[in-house]
Amino acid sequence: DQQVKQNSPSLSVQEGRISILNCDYTNSMFDYFLWYKKYPAEGPTFLISISSIKDKNEDGRFTVFLNKSAKHLSLHIVPSQPGDSAVYFCAAIPWVTSYDKVIFGPGTSLSVIP
Amino acid sequence: NAGVTQTPKFQVLKTGQSMTLQCAQDMNHEYMSWYRQDPGMGLRLIHYSVGAGITDQGEVPNGYNVSRSTTEDFPLRLLSAAPSQTSVYFCASSPGRPGDTQYFGPGTRLTVL
Repeated sequence: DQQVKQNSPSLSVQEGRISILNCDYTNSMFDYFLWYKKYPAEGPTFLISISSIKDKNEDGRFTVFLNKSAKHLSLHIVPSQPGDSAVYFCAAIPWVTSYDKVIFGPGTSLSVIP
Repeated sequence: NAGVTQTPKFQVLKTGQSMTLQCAQDMNHEYMSWYRQDPGMGLRLIHYSVGAGITDQGEVPNGYNVSRSTTEDFPLRLLSAAPSQTSVYFCASSPGRPGDTQYFGPGTRLTVL
């Protein structure tokens, strides 16, 4: 059973609007979360991360929100640009128990329409 | 810096054949890992290494072997390829634990017939 879930396989957004990508997790031992972005035929690249001691982290147009009680995090992209079209992976680490292992979700394919 | 390099880019094997996927990094990173990406499954950790001479299993280690004789290289060996190992394989490295940014290679697309 997947411990990190991204229930929307795909998402389409108009350029300039907000993109919201969601991620849910089941393991309460996860305490560090990351988002990676992947273009076709390339390896993933790190985007943004958040520790469980925070509920929000911003980096330019990208903001990640964490709701520990709901075991839910989301990535907001504002404003969305065509270059943001990619697959976005949510990932989690059970830092205390197994900090060498990263568990990835299945990914959400974002299309930003010009 | 070349970053993380992987060879080959593409490979077709027959069932039962063996091969080694190469991975090298020139950033002097201690942590290296291998993932496979399958549709609807995301990236799944196969094996990882926290330094030369130290390796451990990830989520899906069966059918794969690794070794880490140098900081730079982390090859992944398929001893007897099976169709279930058809996938895209990514190698990654990071300066410390994977909570640090991981740098991924471009991937190897493997097909096992």
